[in-house]
Amino acid sequence: DTGVSQNPRHKITKRGQNVTFRCDPISEHNRLYWYRQTLGQGPEFLTYFQNEAQLEKSRLLSDRFSAERPKGSFSTLEIQRTEQGDSAMYLCASSITAGEKLFFGSGTQLSVL
Amino acid sequence: ELKVEQNPLFLSMQEGKNYTIYCNYSTTSDRLYWYRQDPGKSLESLFVLLSNGAVKQEGRLMASLDTKARLSTLHITAAVHDLSATYFCAVDPSNTGKLIFGQGTTLQVKP
Repeated sequence: DTGVSQNPRHKITKRGQNVTFRCDPISEHNRLYWYRQTLGQGPEFLTYFQNEAQLEKSRLLSDRFSAERPKGSFSTLEIQRTEQGDSAMYLCASSITAGEKLFFGSGTQLSVL
Repeated sequence: ELKVEQNPLFLSMQEGKNYTIYCNYSTTSDRLYWYRQDPGKSLESLFVLLSNGAVKQEGRLMASLDTKARLSTLHITAAVHDLSATYFCAVDPSNTGKLIFGQGTTLQVKP
């Protein structure tokens, strides 16, 4: 399967802990996106990369959040000092280039206790 | 503020019936997307509409776009249980992949 892969699928953590999620996009897709989805809502944009360059970050992305795409392939999203409000599904998507269809991964469901 | 509004938010219908989901958006956008999401799963792309008057059909679903009215519709024909899911529309005003999603329409098709 050459779709977008995300790990882990589920993460349960205690408030104040740090967590890191990984996303492997479709091979040769230059664009990689992170979205967050809470229950009953549509996904909200967090940030995106063109190859290894992070081009835009949403105001939703506080200083506790950091994303990287070190070699223009996989990406990581780290949340430091997690809060209960961080509980959500974190979705990764990729596209071959700007303006093309986004392919979404299965997401990482984060629960902060 | 950029807004994408879907109507209705919840739809319960009988198998075999027809219905339409509406998606209004508040900013110009060259393209509009429809996605399907099953409970606990990710988003599956259904349609990409790229121009005014675009119409696309796949099975029992048909999507259309009116960029002047900033309105897209997703029409369901002769619904079947397998169509039960949440449907999202999204626009991409900056053509960067920074999608703005609607709240979603949860469709429940009853036998």
